[in-house]
Amino acid sequence: DGGITQSPKYLFRKEGQNVTLSCEQNLNHDAMYWYRQDPGQGLRLIYYSQIVNDFQKGDIAEGYSVSREKKESFPLTVTSAQKNPTAFYLCASIADDTGELFFGEGSRLTVL
Amino acid sequence: QKEVEQNSGPLSVPEGAIASLNCTYSDRGSQSFFWYRQYSGKSPELIMFIYSNGDKEDGRFTAQLNKASQYVSLLIRDSQPSDSATYLCAVIPMEYGNKLVFGAGTILRVKS
Repeated sequence: DGGITQSPKYLFRKEGQNVTLSCEQNLNHDAMYWYRQDPGQGLRLIYYSQIVNDFQKGDIAEGYSVSREKKESFPLTVTSAQKNPTAFYLCASIADDTGELFFGEGSRLTVL
Repeated sequence: QKEVEQNSGPLSVPEGAIASLNCTYSDRGSQSFFWYRQYSGKSPELIMFIYSNGDKEDGRFTAQLNKASQYVSLLIRDSQPSDSATYLCAVIPMEYGNKLVFGAGTILRVKS
């Protein structure tokens, strides 16, 4: 089945550590996205990538980094510079014809 | 900053009633509109998308779009307890390419 796989689902991090969240898709979509969701809030765009080897900052990129070396993969690194990283992180890709976003199951990061 | 506004709720309706969820957006040139459902701790899933003024029906769900008034709504007929979730409105503003802007969501509670 086609879809988006995120890992890990749950992650605990000590302050000062970098962590990387994995996102893999087999939908053959060009564009991929990372969103952050905090309790009671909507989704906020961290980074997005329209094609391989290209990515753009979203609304809250500070403290995060990404890479897009392959069409299928769009990992997100949460760096120690992110002051409040505890959140639910969602990876998505978009169908070019309809604009529908397909989401992974999410990764919940908790800073201890 | 393009904005999408939703009443946070919770909206409580009895089982079998019609639930009406509303969303307004700031960018008059927006072209694509989406409703996502999100259960607690899960990723959003698409319910409907609408591009043209008027109504679009899919089973118990009807999306209504009024571009002149810049609002989009979602009606859920014969509401069921399983419809209890957070409903996210999303919009693609003009010149945003394929980036969606999300509202904060409305919590719906269907009481049996």
